[in-house]
Amino acid sequence: GAVVSQHPSWVICKSGTSVKIECRSLDFQATTMFWYRQFPKQSLMLMATSNEGSKATYEQGVEKDKFLINHASLTLSTLTVTSAHPEDSSFYICSALGTSGASGTQYFGPGTRLLVL
Amino acid sequence: QQQVKQSPQSLIVQKGGISIINCAYENTAFDYFPWYQQFPGKGPALLIAIRPDVSEKKEGRFTISFNKSAKQFSLHIMDSQPGDSATYFCAAGGNAGNMLTFGGGTRLMVKP
Repeated sequence: GAVVSQHPSWVICKSGTSVKIECRSLDFQATTMFWYRQFPKQSLMLMATSNEGSKATYEQGVEKDKFLINHASLTLSTLTVTSAHPEDSSFYICSALGTSGASGTQYFGPGTRLLVL
Repeated sequence: QQQVKQSPQSLIVQKGGISIINCAYENTAFDYFPWYQQFPGKGPALLIAIRPDVSEKKEGRFTISFNKSAKQFSLHIMDSQPGDSATYFCAAGGNAGNMLTFGGGTRLMVKP
C-alpha cells in the first residue's frame, strides 16, 4: 500500500516551454501533497504544499507564477513549470501525506528528472 | 529553529559492520522522526520512523535511537550489506502542516 506515482519520469524540453508533472496516490486518498526539488548530491528542498481544493502554499523564494500547482482531486496533484529555463533543470519529487494522524507519513513518488535545453 | 543537522555526510562501512548516522534538531515541537533511503535516480523510501514517546525502535536490521533531552536521534544499520549503499535522510516533522524538515543526507557505501 501507499504507492505514489509520478509522470513523466524523464522530460527534456526547450527553454521557454512549459512542462507538466503529475503526482498520483494510487491506493489511498491524499488531501495534502508536497512538491520538492533536489539538486545532485543535495537534500530535498520543499517547494510547496498542495491541499486538495485550495491554493497551494509556497515556500519562501519559490515563484508561484512559475511553478503552478493544481490539486483538483484527492489522488492527483500537478506541477507545471512555466517558461522553463536551464536553471530549472532538476529532480522534482512529490509526496503524498498518509492519513495516520497529526504527524502523518509522507510517501514519495519516484521523481521526475527535468532537463531544460 | 527549523534545521535538522545530519552527520556524517558520507560513510564507508565494511560488509557485516554497523552503520551509524546521527541527526540533531532544535525545534521541540517536532514529534515525528522518519528516516528515508534513497537510491540514485529514485524517490526517497520510508525506512523507519519514531515518535518521542519511545527511546528506541527496531525493524529488522534497522534501529532508531532517540534521545529527547539531547534532541538527537540516530539510525543504526546492523550487518550492513552492499545493497544498503544509498543516501539516507533523516527528517523531523509535527509542526503545522505536517511538513518535514530534512537533514542534509548521508551517502553510505558498504564495501563487500
